[in-house]
Amino acid sequence: AQKVTQAQTEISVVEKEDVTLDCVYETRDTTYYLFWYKQPPSGELVFLIRRNSFDEQNEISGRYSWNFQKSTSSFNFTITASQVVDSAVYFCALTRGQNFVFGPGTRLSVLP
Amino acid sequence: EADIYQTPRYLVIGTGKKITLECSQTMGHDKMYWYQQDPGMELHLIHYSYGVNSTEKGDLSSESTVSRIRTEHFPLTLESARPSHTSQYLCASSVGTHYGYTFGSGTRLTVV
Repeated sequence: AQKVTQAQTEISVVEKEDVTLDCVYETRDTTYYLFWYKQPPSGELVFLIRRNSFDEQNEISGRYSWNFQKSTSSFNFTITASQVVDSAVYFCALTRGQNFVFGPGTRLSVLP
Repeated sequence: EADIYQTPRYLVIGTGKKITLECSQTMGHDKMYWYQQDPGMELHLIHYSYGVNSTEKGDLSSESTVSRIRTEHFPLTLESARPSHTSQYLCASSVGTHYGYTFGSGTRLTVV
């Protein structure tokens, strides 16, 4: 069965520090997609990135970067030079048929 | 500009009342979903639909019901609200799971 683990329940960093959010997944599917979503205090979920199982290239978007490693079933997310506006709950998700499996989320607090 | 709309944004209602949470999307997506989430906590799939006249229950048992009479509209109804229904309800839609979900802003329901 598909499963997503985000072992870090809460992380606190000081502004400008780098921070990595871990995501480990389990699936027997050979084709699957992984996602990261951000949920700020306002409550909506914002799409950050999608990665398919055949594309192991790491991706960088501004201060955000993602490291996908099939060998360890991980899809980690790094924020460089964190800012207070990065404070949110971050969810990793994995496709399961026509639906998703979400991880439990990691609450990131960036302190000024 | 949101392409998926949820109303109301906040709702406080008394025990025993019937309520309908509205969700509409303008993207023509066939797949729509309802998730229940305590603030910042795990997301639990409670209902989903793959098209008109198609509805299914999700992973988390819920006393709510849904309907899908039109592609763009996926309302959720609670016949008799109870304090245990207090939560945030998030609606999402998708053209295909591998593209990810687009989420609405959510409805924060409080039953007193």
